[in-house]
Amino acid sequence: GDSVTQMEGPVTLSEEAFLTINCTYTATGYPSLFWYVQYPGEGLQLLLKATKADDKGSNKGFEATYRKETTSFHLEKGSVQVSDSAVYFCALSDGGGGADGLTFGKGTHLIIQP
Amino acid sequence: DSGVTQTPKHLITATGQRVTLRCSPRSGDLSVYWYQQSLDQGLQFLIQYYNGEERAKGNILERFSAQQFPDLHSELNLSSLELGDSALYFCASSSLLGTDTQYFGPGTRLTVL
Repeated sequence: GDSVTQMEGPVTLSEEAFLTINCTYTATGYPSLFWYVQYPGEGLQLLLKATKADDKGSNKGFEATYRKETTSFHLEKGSVQVSDSAVYFCALSDGGGGADGLTFGKGTHLIIQP
Repeated sequence: DSGVTQTPKHLITATGQRVTLRCSPRSGDLSVYWYQQSLDQGLQFLIQYYNGEERAKGNILERFSAQQFPDLHSELNLSSLELGDSALYFCASSSLLGTDTQYFGPGTRLTVL
């Protein structure tokens, strides 16, 4: 079945540091890939998505490129802020068998220190 | 604010009881999804409804059931509750099928004592 593997945390960085959170996936079809962010006490918010190979999703300074050859969708940001502290989830949806439910990774807890 | 609403925000109950969680999707969205978030299992897809019909099942226990009503709101029913059912339950909605973006509600935190 489908699966998503991402680095678990916590990942602790200083403000203005470069961020990479790795995500790799296994899927039977041609999935769409997503990054969601969860701030403390809140639901999940879509951060960015990519629907086909070589697509780059971007939002709020975050970027991720859909790499089919390495089955990866790593999240990057050039300069993180304290307000980026949250849990980040990589997810996929391939609609296999008519099911559109998302398959999530376990989440990466990011802590940004001033 | 995603536009998806869930009630109640918190629910505390005892083992063996039955509870109902409610979700109202974004205006115009026909598809509703339910997810469970727990410390040991992470985020898991439970079930999906589209325009009133069940479309897909994920890791949903037989003790759990859901439905989507003509006004498109959905309810998740959890019965014979066990301690391990304590979790955050999220509802999400999307306007289309396939790989359309899902918008998540704030969740219902269920505590089973």
